[in-house]
Amino acid sequence: GAGVSQSPSNKVTEKGKDVELRCDPISGHTALYWYRQSLGQGLEFLIYFQGNSAPDKSGLPSDRFSAERTGGSVSTLTIQRTQQEDSAVYLCASSLVANEQFFGPGTRLTVL
Amino acid sequence: DQQVKQNSPSLSVQEGRISILNCDYTNSMFDYFLWYKKYPAEGPTFLISISSIKDKNEDGRFTVFLNKSAKHLSLHIVPSQPGDSAVYFCAANKGSARQLTFGSGTQLTVLP
Repeated sequence: GAGVSQSPSNKVTEKGKDVELRCDPISGHTALYWYRQSLGQGLEFLIYFQGNSAPDKSGLPSDRFSAERTGGSVSTLTIQRTQQEDSAVYLCASSLVANEQFFGPGTRLTVL
Repeated sequence: DQQVKQNSPSLSVQEGRISILNCDYTNSMFDYFLWYKKYPAEGPTFLISISSIKDKNEDGRFTVFLNKSAKHLSLHIVPSQPGDSAVYFCAANKGSARQLTFGSGTQLTVLP
């Protein structure tokens, strides 16, 4: 694949349900990032994976949020017991070189 | 506490004229700045960047200026084209940190 892909593109869920969002980074990129963009806001950093190092989770807003990166490639962001304030576009990015992050199209999450 | 601010949510410019997008930051530790462009339903795409050791970087129609003393940067697009209509995000990072801190974006509309 040429770029970062994310699935699903849209997700509507009910408050209290768990959701999983998937990111396929560009092949060979060692770094992977998750951001979210709430309505009218800029992108907010959530979590960062670099190779086999422990992830930087400093941006996760609560312990309902977690992420994994399996085999140094695909990543899954999980939100447990979703709340309405979790509604946002969740963006994944990958990079090989510092400061050059390539973004996927995002997953629009709506929590009813 | 917004460390990167884009105070103009929108800007309209006539085709062929100059577009100037502004960005202010508060964290003096930021040493690398980027501009991203985002079309609807797509992820942000990297446009141009500048290191804090420079005060200007140019790439075709796009020029970024950095004024460290004022903690201000701007993106100039000359001449503006209708295809430049998009949301422009200013972003910054510091030192070895890989995650980017984004502004809230400016919607640029170039009128034909």
